[in-house]
Amino acid sequence: RKEVEQDPGPFNVPEGATVAFNCTYSNSASQSFFWYRQDCRKEPKLLMSVYSSGNEDGRFTAQLNRASQYISLLIRDSKLSDSATYLCVLNTDKLIFGTGTRLQVFP
Amino acid sequence: DTAVSQTPKYLVTQMGNDKSIKCEQNLGHDTMYWYKQDSKKFLKIMFSYNNKELIINETVPNRFSPKSPDKAHLNLHINSLELGDSAVYFCASSQGFSAGELFFGEGSRLTVL
Repeated sequence: RKEVEQDPGPFNVPEGATVAFNCTYSNSASQSFFWYRQDCRKEPKLLMSVYSSGNEDGRFTAQLNRASQYISLLIRDSKLSDSATYLCVLNTDKLIFGTGTRLQVFP
Repeated sequence: DTAVSQTPKYLVTQMGNDKSIKCEQNLGHDTMYWYKQDSKKFLKIMFSYNNKELIINETVPNRFSPKSPDKAHLNLHINSLELGDSAVYFCASSQGFSAGELFFGEGSRLTVL
């Protein structure tokens, strides 16, 4: 089983929609979790950390479920500029990246 | 000012050649990394250096040799290039080993013909 699994998508949603991605992980010793964003042919950039209590940053909400070993990212009121690949990342003794979920927001 | 810069951005070369990619960060970070992103977009760590000391060396062929002359620089030399080495190589840095926020360079796209 892969250490980090994500639905590759693409998720095609209209502007203004709410969209959610899940990511499952297999290593229960994972210490911390993150969502990164990668635009086409660009480098990955940190979007947000994922805390046990859940956290929100504007239109973005991240949640962690340790019991079921998954993290989620919710994007409300999608913008065209949200189109990107969203990488789930977990930290054991190094950062392990998922292969990403591609989001395409259309007008 | 580019925080993490790597050169060259594009590299096209023949099988069997040797090539190098250079990376520099001006963030004052103490840890630097090389990641490889293949055609399936899988981003996998190759090496990590903390204060010029090798910390992580994943299962990478020994044709790949990293060198860190100081904590602001991490170069990658690849000998005897193979077709399967074609990928985007990202350099990254962080403050502290095992930090959650990595700052990536723009990537070096290597194509081996």
